[in-house]
Amino acid sequence: ETGVTQSPTHLIKTRGQQVTLRCSSQSGHNTVSWYQQALGQGPQFIFQYYREEENGRGNFPPRFSGLQFPNYSSELNVNALELDDSALYLCASSLGTRGGNEQFFGPGTRLTVL
Amino acid sequence: QKEVEQDPGPLSVPEGAIVSLNCTYSNSAFQYFMWYRQYSRKGPELLMYTYSSGNKEDGRFTAQVDKSSKYISLFIRDSQPSDSATYLCARDNAGNMLTFGGGTRLMVKP
Repeated sequence: ETGVTQSPTHLIKTRGQQVTLRCSSQSGHNTVSWYQQALGQGPQFIFQYYREEENGRGNFPPRFSGLQFPNYSSELNVNALELDDSALYLCASSLGTRGGNEQFFGPGTRLTVL
Repeated sequence: QKEVEQDPGPLSVPEGAIVSLNCTYSNSAFQYFMWYRQYSRKGPELLMYTYSSGNKEDGRFTAQVDKSSKYISLFIRDSQPSDSATYLCARDNAGNMLTFGGGTRLMVKP
């Protein structure tokens, strides 16, 4: 059983550009959640996908969007990058959406926006 | 007021000490509370979760929820240098969407 993997590890973009981050869920997990973690802060919930549909969203603008594929891998897309988007982006997979289900986090993608 | 609040630390203790980490939360509607540990440049890993109130023990770790005071605690006994990390408390909205505190950085000195 493989864990959650994310790519790329690091990324540098300039303001106004678009970025796509990728996540491969733990085997058998049908739910993926994305979080943004600014330096020195706790992760903030961006959105969750369950069986390829968005299942919930945090307080993030529409320029943050996502996709989940039939194999349960997923993408986070951010358009019109801003300096404040610089952060560690974490994805977490779980089996189902029931409260208390353990979420397994990937190592994250560190995005720097210049 | 943030939904989940933690003292950012850093908290520095000698090896073998008992560590107490605390969080407060504002919405009493939620039942699931978690503690995650995050090493530098890694993703968070689940240490413990509790449902509703009471204590839960796992080895050197004890998690405690006091719903009357909206207080969540994590105790680490016989702390080790390998426990040096950032500890994040979180609550689950019952849909597996987590709200995290800001994290407390712990340093255990040999």
